[in-house]
Amino acid sequence: KAGVTQTPRYLIKTRGQQVTLSCSPISGHRSVSWYQQTPGQGLQFLFEYFSETQRNKGNFPGRFSGRQFSNSRSEMNVSTLELGDSALYLCASSLAGEGWAEAFFGQGTRLTVV
Amino acid sequence: AQSVTQLGSHVSVSEGALVLLRCNYSSSVPPYLFWYVQYPNQGLQLLLKYTSAATLVKGINGFEAEFKKSETSFHLTKPSAHMSDAAEYFCAVSDGRDDKIIFGKGTRLHILP
Repeated sequence: KAGVTQTPRYLIKTRGQQVTLSCSPISGHRSVSWYQQTPGQGLQFLFEYFSETQRNKGNFPGRFSGRQFSNSRSEMNVSTLELGDSALYLCASSLAGEGWAEAFFGQGTRLTVV
Repeated sequence: AQSVTQLGSHVSVSEGALVLLRCNYSSSVPPYLFWYVQYPNQGLQLLLKYTSAATLVKGINGFEAEFKKSETSFHLTKPSAHMSDAAEYFCAVSDGRDDKIIFGKGTRLHILP
């Protein structure tokens, strides 16, 4: 079966712009989580959605937002981009949404802010 | 609050030698613990997980990890390293209430010929 699909794979944006990243989870998975990966900070949790509800949010400014649709697909949006937002953004989906189930990761979207 | 500490941001071992990657965790509730591997320009792949069943957990590619509550450790081992094991490894913890995963900083494993 198809894995987690993230689009686009690469993105270059200018400071001050906004960007929307998309994540299609594995069919049947209802939980989607987002992570930011940078060389300095490592993997940091952004937010988690289960059945269209945000259940948890990491320590990121309000410029970072997300949503989940009824088909479990998720989007995250970053407004007013800053140079420091350059990172690999990873999406993960899981079946149970209870922490013990395996999280399947997409290949990520590499965002470069110039 | 939960946290994970991985000792050593870089580890080098010779091909055929034992691989040992160290991970210590902190959790106020019984944790779920994971090891993930990341190859260049790829997402993360689960190697193994501990969910309060057996304390010695076997994973893919010959890796295993042992949960030691008294030492709050979950070290990853493999008896004999292969060149294909060169990658970055992440230890992670979850409290099980949702799918939020807290990751360690990662350990890059280098395999010497």
